[in-house]
Amino acid sequence: EIVLTQSPGTLSLSPGERATLSCRASQSVSSSYLAWYQQKVGQAPRLLIYGASTRATGIPDRFGGSGSGTDFTLTISRLEPEDFAVYYCQQHGSSPLTFGGGTKVEIK
Amino acid sequence: QMQLQESGPGLVKPSETLSLICTVSGGSIRTSSYYWGWIRQPPGKGLEWIGTIFYSGNAYYNPSLESRIAISVDTSKNQFSLKLRSVTAADTASYYCARRRGVARVFDLWGRGSLVTVSS
Repeated sequence: EIVLTQSPGTLSLSPGERATLSCRASQSVSSSYLAWYQQKVGQAPRLLIYGASTRATGIPDRFGGSGSGTDFTLTISRLEPEDFAVYYCQQHGSSPLTFGGGTKVEIK
Repeated sequence: QMQLQESGPGLVKPSETLSLICTVSGGSIRTSSYYWGWIRQPPGKGLEWIGTIFYSGNAYYNPSLESRIAISVDTSKNQFSLKLRSVTAADTASYYCARRRGVARVFDLWGRGSLVTVSS
């Protein structure tokens, strides 16, 4: 099983700032099959990025994904008020599918 | 616009079986484009993949839960279901059903979630 470790646990930023979230895998993720989800309080997760860098339908281009092997990054270029939430990575290259522990992006 | 909706008891006693149904509306579950999955999230914690099923009935489970779970599909009702046996307090969680893309194993449409509490 691939273990995903996200850092930092909490990111305190102001609207308009750039957010950089990290996801590190315990072993190489095949074909860069790494996804990112956003979850707001009381809501289901929403798919943002899959295949490390492909934005899902309707996701604004301020969200960008990069990385390969064991190190992946989600970047939010300029934080909007609606972007403050918890973000999870998920590897979709091998079974069992696994998720990271999450990074909370909070308003500073 | 396809939607998913979980239903089932919100309270289950320890050692009993948790049963949830996911009803798919706005589209057919009988499609080769998608798989159908269950994911859970304990209160204040992260996400855990439980299992996935194809409309043909082929199911894939998380090895950590495999001995206790069964996922089935009813194409006539456009539903799929989860059964988790011998529950304990550790199974208390919000249970989500979700649509999984066939090729890329990511979940691109989710239900709103159903909180299930295990308590006597």
